[in-house]
Amino acid sequence: AQSVAQPEDQVNVAEGNPLTVKCTYSVSGNPYLFWYVQYPNRGLQFLLKYITGDNLVKGSYGFEAEFNKSQTSFHLKKPSALVSDSALYFCAVRETGGSYIPTFGRGTSLIVHP
Amino acid sequence: EAQVTQNPRYLITVTGKKLTVTCSQNMNHEYMSWYRQDPGLGLRQIYYSMNVEATDKGDVPEGYKVSRKEKRNFPLILESPSPNQTSLYFCASSLGGQGRWETQYFGPGTRLLVL
Repeated sequence: AQSVAQPEDQVNVAEGNPLTVKCTYSVSGNPYLFWYVQYPNRGLQFLLKYITGDNLVKGSYGFEAEFNKSQTSFHLKKPSALVSDSALYFCAVRETGGSYIPTFGRGTSLIVHP
Repeated sequence: EAQVTQNPRYLITVTGKKLTVTCSQNMNHEYMSWYRQDPGLGLRQIYYSMNVEATDKGDVPEGYKVSRKEKRNFPLILESPSPNQTSLYFCASSLGGQGRWETQYFGPGTRLLVL
């Protein structure tokens, strides 16, 4: 069985400061991991994914995430937050070789203060 | 413009009255899926389709039906809606294939209220 956890319902950060949105996962084998962002009253937008290869993945809008197999984590990061980054962020996992059903986390609300 | 469209965007209905939410994509994507989003639960997949005439159950398929007669369309059917199906629904599509299908493009969502 696969699962994903986003331990923080909300993350607050000041504009210009670095931000981290946490995600941990559990799969039996190897994971495919991805992050999506949802702006108010909009559908989800793909940010980045880890399939294989480099543990540091770079994505859209200056975001990046680091795959850490030993800690089973895939935290989303950005060096300098913008007010426009305020949104709901979802981490998701799918086990390689498993079903085509991804498991999404409950979401983390990121609030960037001016 | 490449996009996934859903209709209607908002719908209020009553228990037991059959309804269909349409989904269409113009990107020639093979993979399409439906999700529901509920507060505190994230997104849960209802059904997915790997290609035309190929559909399969997701995590929460009870009470829903889908069909994939054409590559671009993937309607969601609620034969007899109940209040616990009140939710925000998203359709998504992707190219499919190893390492590509996870890059899903989402529609704008359909907010459904079942009274």
